[in-house]
Amino acid sequence: EAGVTQSPTHLIKTRGQQATLRCSPISGHTSVYWYQQALGLGLQFLLWYDEGEERNRGNFPPRFSGRQFPNYSSELNVNALELEDSALYLCASSFTGLHGDFGQGTRLTVV
Amino acid sequence: DAKTTQPTSMDCAEGRAANLPCNHSTISGNEYVYWYRQIHSQGPQYIIHGLKNNETNEMASLIITEDRKSSTLILPHATLRDTAVYYCIGAGDYGGSQGNLIFGKGTKLSVKP
Repeated sequence: EAGVTQSPTHLIKTRGQQATLRCSPISGHTSVYWYQQALGLGLQFLLWYDEGEERNRGNFPPRFSGRQFPNYSSELNVNALELEDSALYLCASSFTGLHGDFGQGTRLTVV
Repeated sequence: DAKTTQPTSMDCAEGRAANLPCNHSTISGNEYVYWYRQIHSQGPQYIIHGLKNNETNEMASLIITEDRKSSTLILPHATLRDTAVYYCIGAGDYGGSQGNLIFGKGTKLSVKP
């Protein structure tokens, strides 16, 4: 069974640009969760999508947004990038509501 | 979601059992205890979860006290590859009503030769 996959692995953007990160959940999973992990810090919850709807979001500004597609894959968009957005962005999926493994993440660097 | 308390760091000799404690005195009756680990710069890896009963899988065992206020993750024969930060999280279905898991600072386990 393929795990959660994320792309790209690494992404370098300039301050002010937009970044798009992608996540494919485990087959059969309908929920996708996004987390941010800045260097040396813990995981911070960003967004939760379930059945195509945004169910909850963490304490992040509106320039962090996303969507979930009919095939349950998901996109995270970060607009007007700031230097402090540099972080590892992680995605997890679930079916029953109990989290399983995370993907390996996208390392976003804003210069 | 339940607040959890874990030691900042622990050492374990290779081949010995690693016992990682976690206090979750505010856990509610419908909240699970999850354990994850994160090896440097990788995504968190699910280890095990439990509600009331002790649980065992191919990776570890989870011992939950009868009052559910604390638990211990046991890695029976630690290897160098088990060196990681281990997170104990209390949350209900869908990660609790808010859908997410709240990761604390975890325990840095160092397995030494």
